[in-house]
Amino acid sequence: GAGVSQSPSNKVTEKGKDVELRCDPISGHTALYWYRQSLGQGLEFLIYFQGNSAPDKSGLPSDRFSAERTGGSVSTLTIQRTQQEDSAVYLCASSLEGSIVYGQYFGPGTRLTVT
Amino acid sequence: QKEVEQDPGPLSVPEGAIVSLNCTYSNSAFQYFMWYRQYSRKGPELLMYTYSSGNKEDGRFTAQVDKSSKYISLFIRDSQPSDSATYLCAMNTNAGKSTFGDGTTLTVKP
Repeated sequence: GAGVSQSPSNKVTEKGKDVELRCDPISGHTALYWYRQSLGQGLEFLIYFQGNSAPDKSGLPSDRFSAERTGGSVSTLTIQRTQQEDSAVYLCASSLEGSIVYGQYFGPGTRLTVT
Repeated sequence: QKEVEQDPGPLSVPEGAIVSLNCTYSNSAFQYFMWYRQYSRKGPELLMYTYSSGNKEDGRFTAQVDKSSKYISLFIRDSQPSDSATYLCAMNTNAGKSTFGDGTTLTVKP
């Protein structure tokens, strides 16, 4: 079946511009996660959705970052007034019922470059 | 200090070798322990998970958790060139966010 998809795969933007990153989770997966991975680093947690609500948004680095999820499916991560330090790969994952025993399934990521 | 520490390597072994990958952690509330494999320019892929202490085996892979030492390991037997990737350990206290190590880059040479 179809896995987690993310778009765009690559995004180059100028400092100060806003960007939107999209995630389509696996159908039926109720939990959705956003992570950020900088070059040579592990994954940094950003936000977790269960259904349309976000019980944990503790990883969002600043108020320039926001995310929403509609219809218990597609999620959008928005970064306003982008800065060079926002350059990273943004990864989305989904899982069944929010339980780790079912595993987190990752998308291929969106590579964001802020110039 | 990071909650999860992982030796970044790189680690290079000949084909057929046994590989040992390790992570240490400081948060005693972690209960779920995972290993992910990540190929270049791809998203991480869940390899194994373990709940609490003990061993778990799946084919050529064995995951070990020692909660008393706050130490987890992944062993790969009969390593293959296709195992060449970055291996990430991850840990959860419960459902929700995972805390990841920085990853160990492994190269298996034919």
